Amino acid sequence: DTGVSQNPRHKITKRGQNVTFRCDPISEHNRLYWYRQTLGQGPEFLTYFQNEAQLEKSRLLSDRFSAERPKGSFSTLEIQRTEQGDSAMYLCASSPPQVDTQYFGPGTRLTVL
Amino acid sequence: AQTVTQSQPEMSVQEAETVTLSCTYDTSESDYYLFWYKQPPSRQMILVIRQEAYKQQNATENRFSVNFQKAAKSFSLKISDSQLGDAAMYFCAWAGGTSYGKLTFGQGTILTVHP
Repeated sequence: DTGVSQNPRHKITKRGQNVTFRCDPISEHNRLYWYRQTLGQGPEFLTYFQNEAQLEKSRLLSDRFSAERPKGSFSTLEIQRTEQGDSAMYLCASSPPQVDTQYFGPGTRLTVL
Repeated sequence: AQTVTQSQPEMSVQEAETVTLSCTYDTSESDYYLFWYKQPPSRQMILVIRQEAYKQQNATENRFSVNFQKAAKSFSLKISDSQLGDAAMYFCAWAGGTSYGKLTFGQGTILTVHP
């Protein structure tokens, strides 16, 4: 069990560019969550997948954000036309079926210049 | 909407002493879970302890224990015999039984441990 992994760990981009992050959950964890965390704050929920189905999206997830989880394995989070306000740590977490404990990855720190 | 409040932005403790971090929450749901997560400076979020709301017995994990007061909607974390490695940001979090397990976090408490 290697834990939840996220790539890249850091991403610096210019305003207006598109970025994509990847999350690999713990194997056999069918639930996958994305959160966003700004400096000094608690994480905020973005979206949730159960297997390949995206079951809930936060209002924080504007139409510039899209997430996928093809085949119910890894997940990607894409941000189009990035803005400086998108600068944050993007956290991925997974949990096994019927268990509500989430295991977090190390996060991807996004800086938009 | 559910809210989680941590009223202590910062706390400090001497090594080997005991410290208690406070957390209150607001919910109308009867079935839910409460968590304390630790986020060291490296920023990997680590689960410290978990409590099911239907259980009256307070959860304990080694040096970490909680005081769960359901009627008061209070969920404090007690760290006994504090160690330097306990220094981190601590987040209290809530997950409802009907919310797919998504977590609502408090603002966090920075814990400093003095040698």
